[in-house]
Amino acid sequence: AQSVTQLGSHVSVSEGALVLLRCNYSSSVPPYLFWYVQYPNQGLQLLLKYTSAATLVKGINGFEAEFKKSETSFHLTKPSAHMSDAAEYFCAATSGGTSYGKLTFGQGTILTVHP
Amino acid sequence: DGGITQSPKYLFRKEGQNVTLSCEQNLNHDAMYWYRQDPGQGLRLIYYSQIVNDFQKGDIAEGYSVSREKKESFPLTVTSAQKNPTAFYLCASTQTPQGTQYFGPGTRLLVL
Repeated sequence: AQSVTQLGSHVSVSEGALVLLRCNYSSSVPPYLFWYVQYPNQGLQLLLKYTSAATLVKGINGFEAEFKKSETSFHLTKPSAHMSDAAEYFCAATSGGTSYGKLTFGQGTILTVHP
Repeated sequence: DGGITQSPKYLFRKEGQNVTLSCEQNLNHDAMYWYRQDPGQGLRLIYYSQIVNDFQKGDIAEGYSVSREKKESFPLTVTSAQKNPTAFYLCASTQTPQGTQYFGPGTRLLVL
């Protein structure tokens, strides 16, 4: 079964510093991969998604992620953190096919941004 | 504006009571999903539906029931058999199997 692991339940950075949130997946077949952001007591908003078109994916709010098949990773980065980036981030994967879009989520990473 | 609405925002359940959470979408999406979110556990799939009048169990379906009588609606009932219902419940929809899932704003269920 597909599994998604996010390394680090909490990440803290200073404003202006690099943001790196780690995600690894388990599937032997490259899945479709997603990063979502969630602000307190709200639903999830899509940041970006990988669908095999390009290994470096650019998303909203200056975020990007790189798909590395050899490392089964899909880490999320942003060159310079902003206070408004403070939120919880979820990595998710689907294998498509008969699973019909069933997403498997990582445990989430809470990002704190210090002034 | 197209989107997904969930109601109510907060819901209180008494012991032995069934409660129903509403999810409506006007995106004309075929597939709809219900997830449960607990702190530190990510989101877990409860039920999903690919088309009207059809639905499948997810990973944690025990104590829950759903119906899909209309394309735009996918209500979730939390039954008295669900012994630990306190959580944040999220509804989502997508048009294609590999497409983006769009999420509603969520319903927080609390037990009195």
